[in-house]
Order: sequence, then C-alpha cells, then structure tokens
Amino acid sequence: QVQLQESGPGLVKPSGTLSLTCAVSGDSISSNNWWSWVRQPPGKGLEWIGEIHQSGRTNYKASLKSRVTMSLDRSKNQFSLKLTSLTAADTAVYYCARGSPIIMGFDSWGQGTLVTVSS
Amino acid sequence: EIVLTQSPGTLSLSPGERATLSCRASQSFSSNYLGWYQKKPGQAPRLLISAASRRATGIPDRFSGSGSGSDFILTISRLEPEDFAVYYCQQYGGSFGQGTKVEI
Repeated sequence: QVQLQESGPGLVKPSGTLSLTCAVSGDSISSNNWWSWVRQPPGKGLEWIGEIHQSGRTNYKASLKSRVTMSLDRSKNQFSLKLTSLTAADTAVYYCARGSPIIMGFDSWGQGTLVTVSS
Repeated sequence: EIVLTQSPGTLSLSPGERATLSCRASQSFSSNYLGWYQKKPGQAPRLLISAASRRATGIPDRFSGSGSGSDFILTISRLEPEDFAVYYCQQYGGSFGQGTKVEI
C-alpha cells in the first residue's frame, strides 16, 4: 500500500520561501509515476501546482512557474516543493500525490499539511 | 491552459436521489485525461473516476462518468449519506474545476 506524508514548517513569512517534503513508502520515486503537489486555500477549491517525473522532467502550473521548483531525493525516497516570494494568497493546505500514467489520475495522496503565510 | 468549469456550484438533494454534475472544458482534450475527485473536509481528495469513465479501485458502481471532447458528466445514481461532499473534475496533469458541492 502506497503512503505519502508531507512535512515542513506550518508558518512562513511573507516574501519568504516555502519548503515541503513528501516521504513515499510502498513505491519508489524512481518508478514510472509523476509526483505531484496540489493545494487548497481555506474555503476555496483545489489547485494543481505541478509534478515531477523520475526522469527529472517537471511540469508546473503556468501562473506559478516563476516561483516553483520541484526536486527528487532518491536516497530518501522523497520529493520536494519550493515556492518563493510568498504572500498571504499562498496560505493553503498542501497535498502531495502520486500521479499514475496507467490510471491517469492521482491514486494516492498525503494527508495534507497546512501552511500559513504570516508575519 | 485549459479551464474547467463545473456546474452547478451547489446541488441540494436528498439521500436516494440522483446527482448529475457537469464539467465543461474551454477546449477539447482527450477523455483519457479527465478525472473526478471527491473531497470531504479534513480529508485528502479521493479519486473516483479516471479516463472520463473508469471507476477507481474500490469505488461503488453508483458512481459513473461519461463524456468526451469538452463536456463531461459525473453521475451518482442514488445518493448515500456519505456521498455528500464537494466534487472536482481535473484534466490530469493540469487544472481542477472549481468544484460542485453536493449537499442535503
């Protein structure tokens, strides 16, 4: 059974950088899947942030592209998200998820972690 | 970037009734890339349907998906109490719709 677990600071300052990690168990991040990040601001809908493949290829949401970096850490079987130049609008629950190119959907999710941008 | 528009915003129904949710895309794309998710407060989203009509593992057969091109439908044939939630469509590897809340 695949499990994903997000970790990172719950509070970050405006103009700062958000760094989150997603630890994966039950699958290898070197498998042929896409490892993704999705967020949900309080009271709003889901927003896809982007994804990274084991090849290192990435796809980011166009409006976030200038601020987002995703990376893999094969030694720890985890992947990461960095989001820079934070504002209050980046306050959200952040989810990591596995995107299966066979199923063509996000079939496994982390529980989510709330990140608040505030001074 | 393809924009997905869901309607209605809110659907008020009773247990046992049929729910029909719509997802319309700003341009056509392969139905292989259309998924539906259920979201409840405090829980991670759950994949219901992928490739427009393929039920995910463990999803009851009262959930069904259809559509192609730019128009997609999620149908819940008979609502159970646990089905009251927010439903999102998504182009796999891209944007989500804004969601449809199914409420009692």
